[in-house]
Amino acid sequence: EAQVTQNPRYLITVTGKKLTVTCSQNMNHEYMSWYRQDPGLGLRQIYYSMNVEVTDKGDVPEGYKVSRKEKRNFPLILESPSPNQTSLYFCASRAGFSGANVLTFGAGSRLTVL
Amino acid sequence: GQQVMQIPQYQHVQEGEDFTTYCNSSTTLSNIQWYKQRPGGHPVFLIQLVKSGEVKKQKRLTFQFGEAKKNSSLHITATQTTDVGTYFCRPNFGNEKLTFGTGTRLTIIP
Repeated sequence: EAQVTQNPRYLITVTGKKLTVTCSQNMNHEYMSWYRQDPGLGLRQIYYSMNVEVTDKGDVPEGYKVSRKEKRNFPLILESPSPNQTSLYFCASRAGFSGANVLTFGAGSRLTVL
Repeated sequence: GQQVMQIPQYQHVQEGEDFTTYCNSSTTLSNIQWYKQRPGGHPVFLIQLVKSGEVKKQKRLTFQFGEAKKNSSLHITATQTTDVGTYFCRPNFGNEKLTFGTGTRLTIIP
């Protein structure tokens, strides 16, 4: 089944404790992206990657890192999480380089930073 | 900058009433997509509009793209409880920053 898989789905952590949210897709998609969803703010793009070793900042990149060493994986790294990073995170991917292509989303990762 | 405004933020309707959400851009769009997120779920693609003035229908859902390709709407006729969720537009400004509207959360009163 074609899908985007995120882990963990739920995580409670404390301020300053580094964490990684993994994202993997099995559709051979070139483009991958991370979003955070907060009430009233919709889906805001954190980082995106157009292909292996190519990453770019989205609208809210502060406090996050990403890497794209393999085509299928696009982990989101919070080096020193803070409470304002408590949010629902979605990874998404799409084929090709056209903005017209459809995004496929993972199930989401709900992160709480105490 | 390139921004899109989606209104309303929330809409509560009686079951059977109609519902409309709007996306308005300050600049001309290449195309626009619509997604639906059920409560507790993830966004799922509904449709894409490309041409000026385009109208597409999916059963009770009607999607429109404005003549100037700066605004779009999603209209649901005779809402049902299965329509509950948040509807997002995703405007394409012709770059790789794939932004979304802020979403319209639809709740249905049975």
